[in-house]
Amino acid sequence: DQQVKQNSPSLSVQEGRISILNCDYTNSMFDYFLWYKKYPAEGPTFLISISSIKDKNEDGRFTVFLNKSAKHLSLHIVPSQPGDSAVYFCAASAYSGANSKLTFGKGITLSVRP
Amino acid sequence: NAGVMQNPRHLVRRRGQEARLRCSPMKGHSHVYWYRQLPEEGLKFMVYLQKENIIDESGMPKERFSAEFPKEGPSILRIQQVVRGDSAAYFCASSPSTYEQYFGPGTRLTVT
Repeated sequence: DQQVKQNSPSLSVQEGRISILNCDYTNSMFDYFLWYKKYPAEGPTFLISISSIKDKNEDGRFTVFLNKSAKHLSLHIVPSQPGDSAVYFCAASAYSGANSKLTFGKGITLSVRP
Repeated sequence: NAGVMQNPRHLVRRRGQEARLRCSPMKGHSHVYWYRQLPEEGLKFMVYLQKENIIDESGMPKERFSAEFPKEGPSILRIQQVVRGDSAAYFCASSPSTYEQYFGPGTRLTVT
């Protein structure tokens, strides 16, 4: 069963505009959420994370929003740049302690058009 | 500070051979995770190790797969008697005791 869902396989946006990547989860035990960015033939790169006790976390051009009641999170990138074109994975962790396994979605391919 | 190192980056094995994948965590990280990514899929957790201990192997196939993280040296993911379905990208991640995991570049295993 897919506990972390990224239902849109791809997204295309114009350079300078906002990119909104969505993620839904089903496991109510998840308490920490992360976004990773991945280029072809490379490993995932950590972008930003959020704890379940927060509803927003911001780091430069990247903001993650968490709606616990809807079991939904989103990553906003503004302004979008061509170098942001990559696959973005949403991941979740299920335990209150650290060092627990991550459950990943299937990823969203973001294309930023110049 | 060097990142997570994995080698080899590409590995080709014939059916029935053994595959050994190596992972050196970031300096100061004592927690190692292995994930597998099949084509068009997300990463799937396989195993979590600390030095000389397997902490969580709930994602490991019951047969042919094993992992270790010895006191000295890299972590090893070993696949015996490989089959075509083992063809995938295998990623190692390390962690310093926080939630964030930092990934290596992966080993792409092709079974012919």
